[in-house]
Amino acid sequence: GDSVTQMEGPVTLSEEAFLTINCTYTATGYPSLFWYVQYPGEGLQLLLKATKADDKGSNKGFEATYRKETTSFHLEKGSVQVSDSAVYFCALRWSGGSYIPTFGRGTSLIVHP
Amino acid sequence: DAGVIQSPRHEVTEMGQEVTLRCKPISGHNSLFWYRQTMMRGLELLIYFNNNVPIDDSGMPEDRFSAKMPNASFSTLKIQPSEPRDSAVYFCASSPAGDYTEAFFGQGTRLTVV
Repeated sequence: GDSVTQMEGPVTLSEEAFLTINCTYTATGYPSLFWYVQYPGEGLQLLLKATKADDKGSNKGFEATYRKETTSFHLEKGSVQVSDSAVYFCALRWSGGSYIPTFGRGTSLIVHP
Repeated sequence: DAGVIQSPRHEVTEMGQEVTLRCKPISGHNSLFWYRQTMMRGLELLIYFNNNVPIDDSGMPEDRFSAKMPNASFSTLKIQPSEPRDSAVYFCASSPAGDYTEAFFGQGTRLTVV
């Protein structure tokens, strides 16, 4: 079945450091890929998405590129801020809104001043 | 739109009591999901409704859990009787029809069973 694997956290960085959170997926085909962010005490919210191979999703300085050859969707940011401290979830979903999203386990990011 | 609305935000109950969690999805969304989040198990799908009909309830832990969606604007998740191991954050999410659509999450209900 489909699955999403994320690097284990926590990832601890200093402010202005470069961020990479790895995400790989297993699926027979080309689903849409998503990154969600969860701030403390809140629900998950969409950060960015990509719907086909080689697409790049971007938002708030975060980027991720859909790589079908490596079945990956790594999240990157050039300069993190303390306010980026949160849990990040990678997810996939097949086209057609009736399909259930598959989420990774989440990666906690802690950014120190 | 106000987003997905869940109530209550926090619930503390004694073991053996019935607990009912409520969810109002975003208007016009036809898919609704209930998830449970714990440190040990991460985010788990409990049940999925499409057009108010339960499609996949394979994630419901046991018979103590039940979920209903009587109409397009309301869903409940009931636990009866509750147990301490049910303590978790429960999320409701909804999604519109169509391709490439994401799920929109509520703020969750933090359930503590003592």
